[in-house]
Amino acid sequence: QQQVRQSPQSLTVWEGETAILNCSYEDSTFDYFPWYHQFPGESPALLIAIRPVSNKKEDGRFTIFFNKREKKFSLHIADSQPGDSATYFCAASNSNYQLIWGSGTKLIIKP
Amino acid sequence: DPKIIQKPKYLVAVTGSEKILICEQYLGHNAMYWYRQSAKKPLEFMFSYSYQKLMDNQTASSRFQPQSSKKNHLDLQITALKPDDSATYFCASSPQGWQNTLYFGAGTRLSVL
Repeated sequence: QQQVRQSPQSLTVWEGETAILNCSYEDSTFDYFPWYHQFPGESPALLIAIRPVSNKKEDGRFTIFFNKREKKFSLHIADSQPGDSATYFCAASNSNYQLIWGSGTKLIIKP
Repeated sequence: DPKIIQKPKYLVAVTGSEKILICEQYLGHNAMYWYRQSAKKPLEFMFSYSYQKLMDNQTASSRFQPQSSKKNHLDLQITALKPDDSATYFCASSPQGWQNTLYFGAGTRLSVL
């Protein structure tokens, strides 16, 4: 029940399209949902995060959509750029302040 | 300037040997962590420390021992190294004792031959 499932494992989209990365969870006590990105050869870095009090969080071209009833959240990258190519990790924080990570989505943006 | 310093950047070790991975953070954070990343497990939480005390240990093997000599230091000692230990080890920190906003170091890439 502590798992966070992430899909797809890899995703290729054309420059300018919207990339959609998906995550789901089972533990209803999770109350914080961040997305991290990791560029090749670098360390992960926080990109954007949401709490269940809202169902949408935007930061520029990056938007998290959150569906509490279905226990799903997704990252939408609008007008994707080749520089967005990276591995994206979703995660969820539980009541014990542990961070449970998804398995990552390798995103490739083709110019 | 990097705020979380990990040393060394690359490390090659022989099976059965012992190594220490160094981590120092200059963000003024109270909590520090170790993560491991390999082809088998994309991002694996190992340990968390808050105010130099162990808060959580998700590593099954006692061959991995964190060491905190100072508030902003969290080293990782690995004994009896195995080829399966080959991975990139990331040190991270956060302002408080929960992992809501993690800041990662550049990592130590360990290869065990």
